[in-house]
Amino acid sequence: TQLLEQSPQFLSIQEGENLTVYCNSSSVFSSLQWYRQEPGEGPVLLVTVVTGGEVKKLKRLTFQFGDARKDSSLHITAAQPGDTGLYLCAGGAETDSWGKLQFGAGTQVVVTP
Amino acid sequence: GAGVSQSPRYKVTKRGQDVALRCDPISGHVSLYWYRQALGQGPEFLTYFNYEAQQDKSGLPNDRFSAERPEGSISTLTIQRTEQRDSAMYRCASSRTSGGAFTGELFFGEGSRLTVL
Repeated sequence: TQLLEQSPQFLSIQEGENLTVYCNSSSVFSSLQWYRQEPGEGPVLLVTVVTGGEVKKLKRLTFQFGDARKDSSLHITAAQPGDTGLYLCAGGAETDSWGKLQFGAGTQVVVTP
Repeated sequence: GAGVSQSPRYKVTKRGQDVALRCDPISGHVSLYWYRQALGQGPEFLTYFNYEAQQDKSGLPNDRFSAERPEGSISTLTIQRTEQRDSAMYRCASSRTSGGAFTGELFFGEGSRLTVL
């Protein structure tokens, strides 16, 4: 079993501040996805990264895949209350179907006005 | 509907009873996945189908759990002789693509919350 560890588990910040969430593993993943989940709903895909060292930007969100494809980070600039949610990273093993994902436990982000 | 639909949304049952959870994927989606999510945790893979064929059931906890997708659309996850440890949110997801190296997008349903008393 490949374990994905996310840190921190919980993050509470003020609107306008920046934050970074980390996702680490000792195993190599063929791809890594970030999801956001809001209460009572299923996870919604934010981004997929597949190449070591890849950086993707989605408005105020920046995602990075580690060179060795074992870790990833999500950075939010000038956070807004709408960014509140549970952020989950999920990795696809090289030997499995991409949809068979190993999820981290998530980072709960709360952005207060 | 436009999204993945799951029913029932909430199910409370007594230990020892059988339960069936239903998933109606997005129309035309080839692959269907079942995950289980405990409170405060990320989803845990259970099984998946391409069309009607069950491709991987390695995540099913034991033989009390089974799943089918007989016509390649709607899927049912069945838990026999439920136990308290089966209590969790069961989530279904679908995707346009089949398995393999291509990386696509999973669309998750709102889940079925199972409580075993």
